[in-house]
Amino acid sequence: NAGVTQTPKFQVLKTGQSMTLQCAQDMNHNSMYWYRQDPGMGLRLIYYSASEGTTDKGEVPNGYNVSRLNKREFSLRLESAAPSQTSVYFCASTRGLAEISYEQYFGPGTRLTVT
Amino acid sequence: AQKITQTQPGMFVQEKEAVTLDCTYDTSDQSYGLFWYKQPSSGEMIFLIYQGSYDEQNATEGRYSLNFQKARKSANLVISASQLGDSAMYFCAMRETTTGNQFYFGTGTSLTVIP
Repeated sequence: NAGVTQTPKFQVLKTGQSMTLQCAQDMNHNSMYWYRQDPGMGLRLIYYSASEGTTDKGEVPNGYNVSRLNKREFSLRLESAAPSQTSVYFCASTRGLAEISYEQYFGPGTRLTVT
Repeated sequence: AQKITQTQPGMFVQEKEAVTLDCTYDTSDQSYGLFWYKQPSSGEMIFLIYQGSYDEQNATEGRYSLNFQKARKSANLVISASQLGDSAMYFCAMRETTTGNQFYFGTGTSLTVIP
């Protein structure tokens, strides 16, 4: 039982390059999330998927796209990376709204640097 | 307005002493959940404790307890008998029923335990 896995762990991009961050969970969770963490700003929600087949914007969606490939996998794509997207990216998952008390499980994070 | 406010960017506590980390929240929902997470320097997010809005008792998990004051909209984390391994960032988060699948995070408090 691996929990939430993310790849890659580290990535350096040049401005304008694209990349996809991969996330998978093996806990049969309905909801999945992408956050970015910047110093002094806590975790900010980029996009989330309440259930398979749905995605919604969070607080900071500009410059990102997501795909909920199936119940297990939720990917985050940067089409044209900018230095402002230098951050640590976390994927998380949890059960659906009916279980509001259920916590989020987080992946180990991806440290992305855009030069 | 911020959904979650953590006003203490940094805190220090002597080993074996108790410490309180502050968290206030803003919601008009009647049903919501409050969570605390720990993030050590290694970067992973660790769930600590949960409090539901309808829970009459304050939540406790080992050395962690949540001082829940609903009228004041505060959900402070109390760590008793601090240990060196408690040095970390601590994040307060909320999940509402109306926005359902979103979790709102505060900016975090950095706790340092002094030997």
